[in-house]
Amino acid sequence: GDSVTQMEGPVTLSEEAFLTINCTYTATGYPSLFWYVQYPGEGLQLLLKATKADDKGSNKGFEATYRKETTSFHLEKGSVQVSDSAVYFCALMDSSYKLIFGSGTRLLVRP
Amino acid sequence: NAGVTQTPKFQVLKTGQSMTLQCAQDMNHEYMSWYRQDPGMGLRLIHYSVGAGITDQGEVPNGYNVSRSTTEDFPLRLLSAAPSQTSVYFCASRQGLESYGYTFGSGTRLTVV
Repeated sequence: GDSVTQMEGPVTLSEEAFLTINCTYTATGYPSLFWYVQYPGEGLQLLLKATKADDKGSNKGFEATYRKETTSFHLEKGSVQVSDSAVYFCALMDSSYKLIFGSGTRLLVRP
Repeated sequence: NAGVTQTPKFQVLKTGQSMTLQCAQDMNHEYMSWYRQDPGMGLRLIHYSVGAGITDQGEVPNGYNVSRSTTEDFPLRLLSAAPSQTSVYFCASRQGLESYGYTFGSGTRLTVV
């Protein structure tokens, strides 16, 4: 079945550092891809999405590009802030329109 | 504010007890779903519903029941709680099959002792 694999955390960075969180997927066809963010004590919020190959999703300085050839959707940000500390989930929407999540990556940004 | 409301936020149960986790949305969304979140495992789908009167099983349905008598409400029932059901539970909804706008509730943290 469809699945999502993302890098294990925690990822610890200093403020203003460059962030990459790797995400790869296995799916039949070309699913829509998502990044969700979960701040402490809260539910998940959609961060960005891409619906077809070579699309780039972006929001709040975060970016991810849908790479069909490498089945990847890596999350990047050029300069992280303390307020970006959260858990980040990569997900795909399968052919039945259900979301399938990766295991999540915790990001900790130190001042 | 419009959104997905989950109650309670926290609950402790004894093994064998039953309870219902409530989920309500006021956005007239057709699709609703329940996930559980466990450390290192991401979110796994328990049950989902594509509209009132229609429910189906997700990845981990055992030990849980759902019903959808109205568009707004989608309660999750634990019939006989087990320690393996200790988790954080999230309800989510979206409008229609083509919509990507999932809205998540703030979660219910359940501990079974």
